[in-house]
Amino acid sequence: AQTVTQSQPEMSVQEAETVTLSCTYDTSESNYYLFWYKQPPSRQMILVIRQEAYKQQNATENRFSVNFQKAAKSFSLKISDSQLGDTAMYFCAFMKLNSGTYKYIFGTGTRLKVLA
Amino acid sequence: DSGVTQTPKHLITATGQRVTLRCSPRSGDLSVYWYQQSLDQGLQFLIQYYNGEERAKGNILERFSAQQFPDLHSELNLSSLELGDSALYFCASSVESATLELLHFGNGTRLTVT
Repeated sequence: AQTVTQSQPEMSVQEAETVTLSCTYDTSESNYYLFWYKQPPSRQMILVIRQEAYKQQNATENRFSVNFQKAAKSFSLKISDSQLGDTAMYFCAFMKLNSGTYKYIFGTGTRLKVLA
Repeated sequence: DSGVTQTPKHLITATGQRVTLRCSPRSGDLSVYWYQQSLDQGLQFLIQYYNGEERAKGNILERFSAQQFPDLHSELNLSSLELGDSALYFCASSVESATLELLHFGNGTRLTVT
């Protein structure tokens, strides 16, 4: 069975600095997708960035980028120039097609606090 | 705005009671997922419906049930409520086509069981 592990329950970073959140996963599949979701205090689930496993190039969305290491099954999120609004819970998620349906597995989250 | 609507936003009820949570998926989305997020926990997959039919089941208790109606909205029924059922319940929808599927989340229903 697939698992997603986020080993950092909490992290903090100074405003304008860079922080990296780690995520590892376990799967025997070769085709899958990986996501980072952000959950601010409002409790909304907001998609931050996604990565297709067949793509070697790391995804980038403005200040957010990933370091996808397929062989190591690692998918870390880098937040550059951290802003106070980045304070949130961040979830790593794995998705694959399974028996005709899409199966999502979420990590337990990393709580990120950006300090002024 | 994700286009996914969940009602009510908050629900407070007593142990032993039964509640119904409602979800209207994004226009055009055929698939609805239900997730439970207990305090400071990750999202636990409960159940998925596709075009009215149950597609996948996760860690859903027997006291819980769900259905998806012909208009594609979905309801999650929680019965014989216990204190431990207090959580944020998310609904998410997707198109379920052959291409990359993105989950679109509602804002959740916060259930408090007292």
